[in-house]
Amino acid sequence: DAKTTQPNSMESNEEEPVHLPCNHSTISGTDYIHWYRQLPSQGPEYVIHGLTSNVNNRMASLAIAEDRKSSTLILHRATLRDAAVYYCILERDSNYQLIWGAGTKLIIKP
Amino acid sequence: GAVVSQHPSWVICKSGTSVKIECRSLDFQATTMFWYRQFPKQSLMLMATSNEGSKATYEQGVEKDKFLINHASLTLSTLTVTSAHPEDSSFYICSAGRRPQHFGDGTRLSIL
Repeated sequence: DAKTTQPNSMESNEEEPVHLPCNHSTISGTDYIHWYRQLPSQGPEYVIHGLTSNVNNRMASLAIAEDRKSSTLILHRATLRDAAVYYCILERDSNYQLIWGAGTKLIIKP
Repeated sequence: GAVVSQHPSWVICKSGTSVKIECRSLDFQATTMFWYRQFPKQSLMLMATSNEGSKATYEQGVEKDKFLINHASLTLSTLTVTSAHPEDSSFYICSAGRRPQHFGDGTRLSIL
């Protein structure tokens, strides 16, 4: 199975942009890239997903490398409520199963 | 937006008890739902894929007789932990949908 690699933790200042990296060097051509975040004792929350092109939504932007071996989640202006564990995930296209990595704990400093 | 409801949110019971967890898709139909478990400070581990009207597909190492899954309708899947023991204590989470998937708020199961 294709896997993702993320830093264990990152810190950022409130109201500044945050770039969360993810490596997925063994990704296959049909694997979608998803990002979810999770607060303690809660279910994961969808952030964004993409296949090849960069994607933007109200929460974040997803920048996908041309060779698709890495991607970056961009939070344009971090708030304290963005503090969470962020998971970069690959989806098995055949049955929509999500392959979870270890995640990055994002700490936002006021 | 799409919502997945999971019930109960937490349960404490004695060893040997069977516990049922419900997962409902509230405003969409879900032919497939997923069940995960999560230990403290770890990522989610997929346990099984629940398929409406057919048998669930279990991941390697997950005992299907221990974790019974029923997906009898397009909006409801249940996970029953049979004869639960302390090592089954964990955070259980369900999801439904495709792109994106929507997750329940999880069930904290504590077996005494």
